[in-house]
Amino acid sequence: KAGVTQTPRYLIKTRGQQVTLSCSPISGHRSVSWYQQTPGQGLQFLFEYFSETQRNKGNFPGRFSGRQFSNSRSEMNVSTLELGDSALYLCASSRSITNEKLFFGSGTQLSVL
Amino acid sequence: GNSVTQMEGPVTLSEEAFLTINCTYTATGYPSLFWYVQYPGEGLQLLLKATKADDKGSNKGFEATYRKETTSFHLEKGSVQVSDSAVYFCALSALNNAGNMLTFGGGTRLMVKP
Repeated sequence: KAGVTQTPRYLIKTRGQQVTLSCSPISGHRSVSWYQQTPGQGLQFLFEYFSETQRNKGNFPGRFSGRQFSNSRSEMNVSTLELGDSALYLCASSRSITNEKLFFGSGTQLSVL
Repeated sequence: GNSVTQMEGPVTLSEEAFLTINCTYTATGYPSLFWYVQYPGEGLQLLLKATKADDKGSNKGFEATYRKETTSFHLEKGSVQVSDSAVYFCALSALNNAGNMLTFGGGTRLMVKP
């Protein structure tokens, strides 16, 4: 059974650009959540989607957005990139929003120059 | 709000030494508690969990007991191996949340030397 797949693995962007990251959850999992990992702030929750609806949102500016498709795949978008957006972005999936067992992907490493 | 505090690393041990990584939490309601492990270049893997007071989670020789009276969930292993070298994260999931939002501690890097 394939795990959570995130693409691309690495990204390099410049300030002011926008970026889209993709996440394919484990087959049968309907909940997808996103986390940002940085050395300074650690792991911080971005948002969670279930059945194409955003269920929870963390404390991030509106430049961070996401969506979920009918096949449960999810994308997150960051517009007007800032240097501080450089981070490892992790996607996690679970069977449902009430199932606390999360399965994480390997992440997308974003570097903003 | 919810928060998790864990001991800062790195923790450096010799193989077969005893491991303790402290974790304390602040939360409203009755959270579930987790330990996740992150190996270099990989995402997080669930190591163990406990859902109520006095529960003991265990996996791969690691154990942690949910202590409500001390709001703690310390991770222990009796004999570490080089392959246990990784970053360990304590986390909580509050039952009154609408979904799977986890609050993580800052992570503790463990280095095990042969």
